[in-house]
Amino acid sequence: AQSVTQLGSHVSVSEGALVLLRCNYSSSVPPYLFWYVQYPNQGLQLLLKYTTGATLVKGINGFEAEFKKSETSFHLTKPSAHMSDAAEYFCAVSLRYSSASKIIFGSGTRLSIRP
Amino acid sequence: EAGVVQSPRYKIIEKKQPVAFWCNPISGHNTLYWYRQNLGQGPELLIRYENEEAVDDSQLPKDRFSAERLKGVDSTLKIQPAELGDSAVYLCASNPTGASYEQYFGPGTRLTVT
Repeated sequence: AQSVTQLGSHVSVSEGALVLLRCNYSSSVPPYLFWYVQYPNQGLQLLLKYTTGATLVKGINGFEAEFKKSETSFHLTKPSAHMSDAAEYFCAVSLRYSSASKIIFGSGTRLSIRP
Repeated sequence: EAGVVQSPRYKIIEKKQPVAFWCNPISGHNTLYWYRQNLGQGPELLIRYENEEAVDDSQLPKDRFSAERLKGVDSTLKIQPAELGDSAVYLCASNPTGASYEQYFGPGTRLTVT
């Protein structure tokens, strides 16, 4: 069975500082991995996804994530935080080799940006 | 291209009353999902449709929840009767069928049961 663990329900960084949001997954087969962002009172928006190929994937708004199979991790980073990055971030996993498009979400990490 | 449309955006009802949510997915997306998102948590799948067929409703509380997607396009999720614990945001999402596709989410319906 698949599962996703996001370490830290709340992360606070200063504007301009590095953003690091941690995600570890468990999957019996190679996964597809996603990061979504949710702004207040809005639905989820895809930041980036890993399916195949390069393990470092770049997304929107300057975010990137690296798939590390040996560590079963897919951490999200951004070199310099901006006030507009304040939101809830969700890591998610789905199964490769499956035609069933079922995604399991983590519990989320709320990112706060200090001026 | 229009995104996933949901209505209403907000709903306040008293417990034991019925409530219904509507979703229109992105045109051409065969797969439609209903999720419930409790405060401070990630979305949890309630039901997944492939066209008009409910292929995964294992997490749908069938005593009070029902859903339909009669023509394989838009969908309705109903709760009857609502309980206090049903207060949450109900999200609809869609995508083309296949595990590699990201899901596209609507803005959700925030339900408050008093």
